[in-house]
Amino acid sequence: AQSVTQPDIHITVSEGASLELRCNYSYGATPYLFWYVQSPGQGLQLLLKYFSGDTLVQGIKGFEAEFKRSQSSFNLRKPSVHWSDAAEYFCAVEGGGGSNYKLTFGKGTLLTVNP
Amino acid sequence: SQTIHQWPATLVQPVGSPLSLECTVEGTSNPNLYWYRQAAGRGLQLLFYSVGIGQISSEVPQNLSASRPQDRQFILSSKKLLLSDSGFYLCAWSGQRGSTDTQYFGPGTRLTVL
Repeated sequence: AQSVTQPDIHITVSEGASLELRCNYSYGATPYLFWYVQSPGQGLQLLLKYFSGDTLVQGIKGFEAEFKRSQSSFNLRKPSVHWSDAAEYFCAVEGGGGSNYKLTFGKGTLLTVNP
Repeated sequence: SQTIHQWPATLVQPVGSPLSLECTVEGTSNPNLYWYRQAAGRGLQLLFYSVGIGQISSEVPQNLSASRPQDRQFILSSKKLLLSDSGFYLCAWSGQRGSTDTQYFGPGTRLTVL
């Protein structure tokens, strides 16, 4: 069965600092990978996704993520964090074949941005 | 463009009362539809998904049920709520039935069972 681990429950960074949120997945084949962001009391917004091709994917709001098959990772990065980036971030994996349609989420990383 | 609606936005219900949460999607046809529950510290758990009218798959045995009476309508129900049913319920849709695609989420319903 597929699984996702986000090792950091809570990260605090200063505004303007760089950011990297970690995501490790477990899946037997090439997964489809996603990052979503959730502001308090809101639904999830898609930041970016990886299906195939270039392993460095660009998303909205200046975010990017790199798929590393050898490390089973899909870490999210941003070179300079803005106060509005404070939110909870979820990594998710979707498998093909018999597990079509089903997203498995990590437990999320809460990002706090200090002024 | 496609939009997804959920209502109500918040709900407070006593234990043992019934539940009906509604989700509708606009701007697409034949979507896959999903219900998730989000509990504090536990991420998102897929509860039900549907690939068409009347076709419901349950992921977790529980006190809840789902129905899809129309192509773009997905309903989450319970006959008798439990305290453990409290949480944030999210509906999502995806296109391209039969293949992998991106899921887009609604604004959610906050359910508190007292």
